[in-house]
Amino acid sequence: NAGVTQTPKFRILKIGQSMTLQCTQDMNHNYMYWYRQDPGMGLKLIYYSVGAGITDKGEVPNGYNVSRSTTEDFPLRLELAAPSQTSVYFCASTPRRDPWETQYFGPGTRLLVL
Amino acid sequence: DAKTTQPNSMESNEEEPVHLPCNHSTISGTDYIHWYRQLPSQGPEYVIHGLTSNVNNRMASLAIAEDRKSSTLILHRATLRDAAVYYCILNAGGTSYGKLTFGQGTILTVHP
Repeated sequence: NAGVTQTPKFRILKIGQSMTLQCTQDMNHNYMYWYRQDPGMGLKLIYYSVGAGITDKGEVPNGYNVSRSTTEDFPLRLELAAPSQTSVYFCASTPRRDPWETQYFGPGTRLLVL
Repeated sequence: DAKTTQPNSMESNEEEPVHLPCNHSTISGTDYIHWYRQLPSQGPEYVIHGLTSNVNNRMASLAIAEDRKSSTLILHRATLRDAAVYYCILNAGGTSYGKLTFGQGTILTVHP
């Protein structure tokens, strides 16, 4: 049981390039989330999904896109990378939306846009 | 979303107890109080949660004020491995779809 896995661990992008951050969970969780964390700050929600085929925006969605074709995978797409997207990206999942449920986080992807 | 307020930083000595406070004066009756921590260069990890009663688990204890407007995370014997950023978060469940709102948290430094 690997939990939540993310790839790559680290990536350098040039301005204007695109990339996809991968996130997979093997716990059969319905709810998945993408957060970003800037230095010295807490995490901010980018997008979330309540199940396969259903996604919605979080607090900071501009510049990103997501899809959820399977329960396991929730990729995050950056279409035109900008320096403001330099951050650490965390994927998380939870089985249900009940307020006592905990979220399980991946190890993160560190992205540097130059 | 109801917000929480935590001190920016706290320090402790190894093997001493640590009490990390959190204020949440606008908490609603159905919000659960969650604590997560983030070790250096890692993703956040769950520590403990509660609704009204005090809670204990193998990692920590959670003391919740009677009016629920504040809570305290208690690490009974801090170790160097407990040095992390601790986040106090309210989870409303329901139509919030499990979304968590992170503040800046409390940076805990543990001295040998």
